[in-house]
Amino acid sequence: GENVEQHPSTLSVQEGDSAVIKCTYSDSASNYFPWYKQELGKGPQLIIDIRSNVGEKKDQRIAVTLNKTAKHFSLHITETQPEDSAVYFCAANGPGNEKLTFGTGTRLTIIP
Amino acid sequence: DSGVTQTPKHLITATGQRVTLRCSPRSGDLSVYWYQQSLDQGLQFLIQYYNGEERAKGNILERFSAQQFPDLHSELNLSSLELGDSALYFCASSTGDVQETQYFGPGTRLLVL
Repeated sequence: GENVEQHPSTLSVQEGDSAVIKCTYSDSASNYFPWYKQELGKGPQLIIDIRSNVGEKKDQRIAVTLNKTAKHFSLHITETQPEDSAVYFCAANGPGNEKLTFGTGTRLTIIP
Repeated sequence: DSGVTQTPKHLITATGQRVTLRCSPRSGDLSVYWYQQSLDQGLQFLIQYYNGEERAKGNILERFSAQQFPDLHSELNLSSLELGDSALYFCASSTGDVQETQYFGPGTRLLVL
């Protein structure tokens, strides 16, 4: 089955700087890669996703890049703010189905 | 607010007991997914239902079962509970199409004593 690895497990950045979180996946047939943000005591919230027919997608301060050849995708957050502090999860779907396999999460801390 | 509702928010019970967790999907969504989140295992997919039928199964224990009703709400039944079953249980919903977004509910925190 699909295996998703996520790095780093923790990340601290100065407010205003950029943060990058990286994930690799194992199944070359995966074609949907969402990123979720989870705040303390809440459910995961989708922040951005990318499908395999594009290499990059941007939504304001958040961007995701996908390299299908290398089987990795990354989340980029620019101009970080204190409210960006949370745990971020990447995920990949299984081939031909909607089941998501999640990475182990990155705890992002923004230092004011 | 994702539009997915889960009840109860918290549940405290004893080993050996049985509990039922409930999920109502977003309006229009046909698919419901159940996930378990524990500190050492991350987010683990348990099971998916689509329009009342089981569609995919993950690492769900035999002591656990689920169903989706005609009104599309779903229930996750956990029986013969063990201490290790203590975790957050999330429900998510989507249209059921491949590559479509899964929206997560707020979760049920289960504590088994």
